Amino acid sequence: EAGVTQFPSHSVIEKGQTVTLRCDPISGHDNLYWYRRVMGKEIKFLLHFVKESKQDESGMPNNRFLAERTGGTYSTLKVQPAELEDSGVYFCASSQAGVFYGYTFGSGTRLTVV
Amino acid sequence: AQSVTQLDSQVPVFEEAPVELRCNYSSSVSVYLFWYVQYPNQGLQLLLKYLSGSTLVKGINGFEAEFNKSQTSFHLRKPSVHISDTAEYFCAVKGTSYGKLTFGQGTILTVHP
Repeated sequence: EAGVTQFPSHSVIEKGQTVTLRCDPISGHDNLYWYRRVMGKEIKFLLHFVKESKQDESGMPNNRFLAERTGGTYSTLKVQPAELEDSGVYFCASSQAGVFYGYTFGSGTRLTVV
Repeated sequence: AQSVTQLDSQVPVFEEAPVELRCNYSSSVSVYLFWYVQYPNQGLQLLLKYLSGSTLVKGINGFEAEFNKSQTSFHLRKPSVHISDTAEYFCAVKGTSYGKLTFGQGTILTVHP
């Protein structure tokens, strides 16, 4: 089966610009998570979708971040406007509903805001 | 809520030597435990996980970990490392009833020839 796909793999944008990250989970996985690692810090949870609904968005840093999951398939994470402190690696993960077997992570998007 | 502490930020070791990467966690509920590895310029790859059953868990690439509930630890071990094991390793925990992972700060393992 195809894994979790994220793109772009790298993005360099200027402060104040907008960037949209995309995550395609494993087909049939209802749960989709976004995580972020900023330089020198631990990987932190951003939010959790169950199908198209936001189950938990307690980790979203501020209202410049907007996540969507249209139709319960792929998800996008938009940062608008981007700030320097948004630089880091953004990971997406998915898991199936029901019995928990674990997560599958994507390769991440490295975002650099200059 | 859970928290994870990886006790060593960097571990240098010579090739073919044994290694242990230490992980302690804190949680008020039952947990699942994970070790992930990130090789240079790659994503997160699952090394092993503890969901239930035997407390000694074997993973990929010869790694294993032991869940010690009384000490709230989940240390990762390998009896003989290779140059290719050079990477950053993350311990993570999840409550058994809810989905999000909490990660430790990461341990950079550097294997020297």
